[in-house]
Amino acid sequence: DGGITQSPKYLFRKEGQNVTLSCEQNLNHDAMYWYRQDPGQGLRLIYYSQIVNDFQKGDIAEGYSVSREKKESFPLTVTSAQKNPTAFYLCASSTTGDTEAFFGQGTRLTVV
Amino acid sequence: GESVGLHLPTLSVQEGDNSIINCAYSNSASDYFIWYKQESGKGPQFIIDIRSNMDKRQGQRVTVLLNKTVKHLSLQIAATQPGDSAVYFCAENIAYSGAGSYQLTFGKGTKLSVIP
Repeated sequence: DGGITQSPKYLFRKEGQNVTLSCEQNLNHDAMYWYRQDPGQGLRLIYYSQIVNDFQKGDIAEGYSVSREKKESFPLTVTSAQKNPTAFYLCASSTTGDTEAFFGQGTRLTVV
Repeated sequence: GESVGLHLPTLSVQEGDNSIINCAYSNSASDYFIWYKQESGKGPQFIIDIRSNMDKRQGQRVTVLLNKTVKHLSLQIAATQPGDSAVYFCAENIAYSGAGSYQLTFGKGTKLSVIP
């Protein structure tokens, strides 16, 4: 089945540690996105990538890093510089930037 | 409708009634709009989209209306069912830095509760 897969579903991290969230898609989409969602809030864009080996900062990129070495994969690293990392993280992809985005089921990150 | 703040706007409707969810978008250059439905603990699901050269588009039980003059978008759900209970987001697609670079920006969301 084609789709977009995020793993893990739940992730716990100690303060001061970096952690990487996985996002894989087999939809042959060029564009991929990472969003952060806090309780009762909308989605805020962290990073996006329109093509392999290229990505741009979104509205809240500080404390995060990404890579896009393969078309299918767009991992997000939450670094220790991110002051409030506990949130629900959503990855999405689309054929181009100008079409609907398909979302994964999210990763809930909790800092303990 | 959607607004800034920590608490989601909430709309409660009786099962079988029609629902209207409103959204004000920010950028007059946006040319593509999408409505998403998000159930608790899950990723958003696509409902319907509309491009700026249209003012109305219909799907199965849903209709999206676009008023570019006042930068307003609405989602109408006919004969609302308990399974429609969720948070609904509008999203606008904005082109940046010339052709080929787009950014999808989401509104804050509206929580729809259907009363059986």
